[in-house]
Amino acid sequence: AQRVTQPEKLLSVFKGAPVELKCNYSYSGSPELFWYVQYSRQRLQLLLRHISRESIKGFTADLNKGETSFHLKKPFAQEEDSAMYYCALSVGTYKYIFGTGTRLKVLA
Amino acid sequence: DTAVSQTPKYLVTQMGNDKSIKCEQNLGHDTMYWYKQDSKKFLKIMFSYNNKELIINETVPNRFSPKSPDKAHLNLHINSLELGDSAVYFCASSSTGGTEAFFGQGTRLTVV
Repeated sequence: AQRVTQPEKLLSVFKGAPVELKCNYSYSGSPELFWYVQYSRQRLQLLLRHISRESIKGFTADLNKGETSFHLKKPFAQEEDSAMYYCALSVGTYKYIFGTGTRLKVLA
Repeated sequence: DTAVSQTPKYLVTQMGNDKSIKCEQNLGHDTMYWYKQDSKKFLKIMFSYNNKELIINETVPNRFSPKSPDKAHLNLHINSLELGDSAVYFCASSSTGGTEAFFGQGTRLTVV
Protein backbone atom coordinates (compact mmCIF):
# COMPACT_ATOMS: atom_id res chain seq x y z
CA ALA A 1 0.00 0.00 0.00
CA GLN A 2 1.14 3.52 -0.72
CA ARG A 3 1.24 5.53 2.45
CA VAL A 4 2.98 8.45 4.09
CA THR A 5 3.10 8.59 7.86
CA GLN A 6 3.90 11.62 9.97
CA PRO A 7 3.64 10.37 13.54
CA GLU A 8 3.66 13.75 15.27
CA LYS A 9 0.66 16.04 14.97
CA LEU A 10 2.34 18.80 16.94
CA LEU A 11 5.96 19.50 17.65
CA SER A 12 6.97 22.34 19.95
CA VAL A 13 10.58 23.42 20.26
CA PHE A 14 12.35 26.45 21.63
CA LYS A 15 14.02 28.94 19.36
CA GLY A 16 17.58 27.83 18.63
CA ALA A 17 16.86 24.18 19.37
CA PRO A 18 17.24 21.47 16.71
CA VAL A 19 14.16 20.30 14.87
CA GLU A 20 13.36 16.94 13.34
CA LEU A 21 10.01 16.29 11.69
CA LYS A 22 9.52 12.62 11.03
CA CYS A 23 8.22 11.08 7.83
CA ASN A 24 8.01 7.43 6.87
CA TYR A 25 6.67 6.08 3.63
CA SER A 26 5.43 2.85 2.16
CA TYR A 27 5.88 2.40 -1.59
CA SER A 28 7.05 -0.54 -3.67
CA GLY A 29 8.51 1.59 -6.45
CA SER A 30 11.32 4.09 -6.49
CA PRO A 31 10.14 6.87 -4.17
CA GLU A 32 10.11 10.53 -4.99
CA LEU A 33 9.62 12.51 -1.80
CA PHE A 34 8.92 16.11 -0.93
CA TRP A 35 8.33 18.37 2.01
CA TYR A 36 5.64 21.02 1.67
CA VAL A 37 5.04 23.85 4.13
CA GLN A 38 1.95 25.89 4.85
CA TYR A 39 2.52 29.11 6.79
CA SER A 40 -0.42 30.70 8.53
CA ARG A 41 -2.94 32.05 6.03
CA GLN A 42 -0.77 31.11 3.06
CA ARG A 43 -0.97 28.44 0.42
CA LEU A 44 0.84 25.15 0.54
CA GLN A 45 4.26 25.47 -1.07
CA LEU A 46 7.16 23.21 -1.81
CA LEU A 47 9.97 23.35 0.72
CA LEU A 48 12.34 20.78 -0.70
CA ARG A 49 12.54 17.57 -2.70
CA HIS A 50 14.84 14.64 -2.11
CA ILE A 51 16.23 14.50 -5.63
CA SER A 52 17.65 18.01 -5.30
CA ARG A 53 19.52 17.26 -2.10
CA GLU A 54 19.26 20.93 -1.32
CA SER A 55 18.97 22.97 1.84
CA ILE A 56 16.14 25.48 1.94
CA LYS A 57 15.77 27.95 4.81
CA GLY A 58 18.24 25.81 6.72
CA PHE A 59 16.14 22.66 6.36
CA THR A 60 17.51 19.42 4.95
CA ALA A 61 16.01 15.99 4.43
CA ASP A 62 17.76 12.78 3.52
CA LEU A 63 16.05 9.83 1.95
CA ASN A 64 16.83 6.63 3.84
CA LYS A 65 15.54 3.75 1.76
CA GLY A 66 16.52 1.18 4.36
CA GLU A 67 14.36 2.83 6.99
CA THR A 68 11.87 4.16 4.41
CA SER A 69 12.18 7.58 5.98
CA PHE A 70 12.53 11.16 4.82
CA HIS A 71 12.87 13.15 8.02
CA LEU A 72 13.09 16.95 7.86
CA LYS A 73 15.79 18.55 9.97
CA LYS A 74 17.05 21.95 10.95
CA PRO A 75 19.87 22.52 13.43
CA PHE A 76 18.54 25.78 14.91
CA ALA A 77 14.82 26.52 14.81
CA GLN A 78 13.59 30.07 14.26
CA GLU A 79 10.21 31.53 15.16
CA GLU A 80 9.36 32.07 11.51
CA ASP A 81 9.62 28.31 10.97
CA SER A 82 6.32 27.87 12.79
CA ALA A 83 3.98 26.33 10.22
CA MET A 84 2.28 23.15 9.10
CA TYR A 85 4.64 20.72 7.37
CA TYR A 86 3.52 17.95 5.03
CA CYS A 87 5.61 15.10 3.74
CA ALA A 88 4.50 13.96 0.28
CA LEU A 89 5.21 10.98 -1.94
CA SER A 90 4.86 11.13 -5.70
CA VAL A 91 3.45 7.87 -6.97
CA GLY A 92 3.46 7.81 -10.72
CA THR A 93 3.10 10.93 -12.79
CA TYR A 94 -0.29 12.13 -11.67
CA LYS A 95 -0.58 11.56 -7.96
CA TYR A 96 0.89 12.84 -4.76
CA ILE A 97 0.13 11.22 -1.42
CA PHE A 98 0.43 13.47 1.60
CA GLY A 99 1.02 12.66 5.22
CA THR A 100 -1.35 14.02 7.84
CA GLY A 101 0.95 16.94 8.57
CA THR A 102 2.92 18.10 11.59
CA ARG A 103 2.37 21.49 13.13
CA LEU A 104 5.67 22.98 14.20
CA LYS A 105 5.60 25.62 16.91
CA VAL A 106 8.81 27.43 17.67
CA LEU A 107 8.65 29.08 21.06
CA ALA A 108 10.53 32.25 21.91
CA ASP B 1 0.74 37.11 -10.76
CA THR B 2 -1.01 34.27 -9.01
CA ALA B 3 0.10 30.91 -10.35
CA VAL B 4 -2.87 28.82 -9.20
CA SER B 5 -6.01 30.68 -8.25
CA GLN B 6 -9.23 29.35 -6.79
CA THR B 7 -12.57 31.05 -6.35
CA PRO B 8 -14.26 31.53 -4.06
CA LYS B 9 -11.97 31.60 -1.05
CA TYR B 10 -14.86 30.98 1.33
CA LEU B 11 -18.16 29.28 0.64
CA VAL B 12 -20.98 28.82 3.15
CA THR B 13 -24.04 27.00 1.94
CA GLN B 14 -26.93 24.88 3.12
CA MET B 15 -27.25 21.14 2.91
CA GLY B 16 -28.71 19.94 -0.34
CA ASN B 17 -27.44 22.84 -2.41
CA ASP B 18 -25.24 22.55 -5.50
CA LYS B 19 -22.06 24.61 -5.64
CA SER B 20 -18.97 25.01 -7.80
CA ILE B 21 -15.37 25.92 -7.08
CA LYS B 22 -13.25 27.25 -9.90
CA CYS B 23 -9.53 26.78 -10.43
CA GLU B 24 -7.21 28.32 -12.96
CA GLN B 25 -3.46 28.05 -13.42
CA ASN B 26 -1.24 30.24 -15.56
CA LEU B 27 1.88 28.10 -15.33
CA GLY B 28 1.37 26.22 -18.58
CA HIS B 29 1.03 22.96 -16.67
CA ASP B 30 -0.85 20.05 -18.18
CA THR B 31 -1.81 18.28 -14.98
CA MET B 32 -4.25 19.59 -12.39
CA TYR B 33 -5.54 18.18 -9.11
CA TRP B 34 -8.16 18.59 -6.47
CA TYR B 35 -7.28 17.79 -2.87
CA LYS B 36 -9.50 17.80 0.21
CA GLN B 37 -8.13 18.87 3.57
CA ASP B 38 -10.34 17.73 6.40
CA SER B 39 -10.70 19.14 9.90
CA LYS B 40 -7.68 17.14 11.02
CA LYS B 41 -5.57 18.78 8.29
CA PHE B 42 -5.28 15.51 6.38
CA LEU B 43 -4.71 16.18 2.67
CA LYS B 44 -6.27 13.60 0.38
CA ILE B 45 -6.24 13.56 -3.39
CA MET B 46 -9.64 13.56 -5.04
CA PHE B 47 -9.00 13.92 -8.76
CA SER B 48 -6.15 14.29 -11.18
CA TYR B 49 -6.52 15.53 -14.75
CA ASN B 50 -3.94 15.48 -17.51
CA ASN B 51 -4.57 17.41 -20.71
CA LYS B 52 -8.25 17.70 -19.80
CA GLU B 53 -8.60 13.96 -19.27
CA LEU B 54 -9.49 12.36 -15.95
CA ILE B 55 -6.57 10.25 -14.76
CA ILE B 56 -7.33 9.63 -11.10
CA ASN B 57 -10.62 9.46 -9.26
CA GLU B 58 -9.98 8.42 -5.70
CA THR B 59 -13.34 6.85 -4.82
CA VAL B 60 -14.96 10.22 -4.49
CA PRO B 61 -18.79 10.20 -4.36
CA ASN B 62 -20.31 10.92 -7.73
CA ARG B 63 -21.88 14.04 -6.25
CA PHE B 64 -18.46 15.52 -7.00
CA SER B 65 -17.94 16.17 -10.68
CA PRO B 66 -14.78 17.82 -11.92
CA LYS B 67 -14.76 19.58 -15.26
CA SER B 68 -11.75 20.65 -17.25
CA PRO B 69 -12.75 22.90 -20.14
CA ASP B 70 -9.09 23.39 -21.05
CA LYS B 71 -5.66 22.59 -19.63
CA ALA B 72 -5.59 25.77 -17.56
CA HIS B 73 -8.88 25.17 -15.75
CA LEU B 74 -10.22 22.47 -13.47
CA ASN B 75 -13.52 23.25 -11.81
CA LEU B 76 -15.20 21.22 -9.11
CA HIS B 77 -18.96 20.95 -8.99
CA ILE B 78 -20.64 19.43 -5.97
CA ASN B 79 -24.27 18.33 -5.97
CA SER B 80 -26.53 17.82 -2.98
CA LEU B 81 -24.03 19.10 -0.45
CA GLU B 82 -23.74 17.23 2.84
CA LEU B 83 -22.39 18.31 6.22
CA GLY B 84 -19.43 16.00 5.76
CA ASP B 85 -18.36 17.91 2.68
CA SER B 86 -17.22 20.77 4.90
CA ALA B 87 -13.48 21.05 4.38
CA VAL B 88 -10.82 23.08 2.64
CA TYR B 89 -10.45 22.15 -1.00
CA PHE B 90 -7.12 22.76 -2.70
CA CYS B 91 -6.47 22.91 -6.39
CA ALA B 92 -2.95 22.20 -7.62
CA SER B 93 -1.09 21.84 -10.88
CA SER B 94 2.13 20.36 -12.13
CA SER B 95 3.81 19.56 -15.43
CA THR B 96 3.92 15.98 -16.65
CA GLY B 97 7.12 14.50 -15.34
CA GLY B 98 7.64 17.60 -13.23
CA THR B 99 8.41 17.10 -9.62
CA GLU B 100 6.68 20.03 -7.98
CA ALA B 101 3.00 20.67 -7.50
CA PHE B 102 1.84 24.25 -7.11
CA PHE B 103 -1.17 24.85 -4.91
CA GLY B 104 -3.96 27.35 -4.86
CA GLN B 105 -4.86 29.18 -1.67
CA GLY B 106 -7.69 26.79 -0.87
CA THR B 107 -11.46 27.16 -0.69
CA ARG B 108 -13.01 26.75 2.74
CA LEU B 109 -16.39 25.14 2.24
CA THR B 110 -18.82 25.13 5.15
CA VAL B 111 -22.08 23.25 4.81
CA VAL B 112 -24.71 24.18 7.39
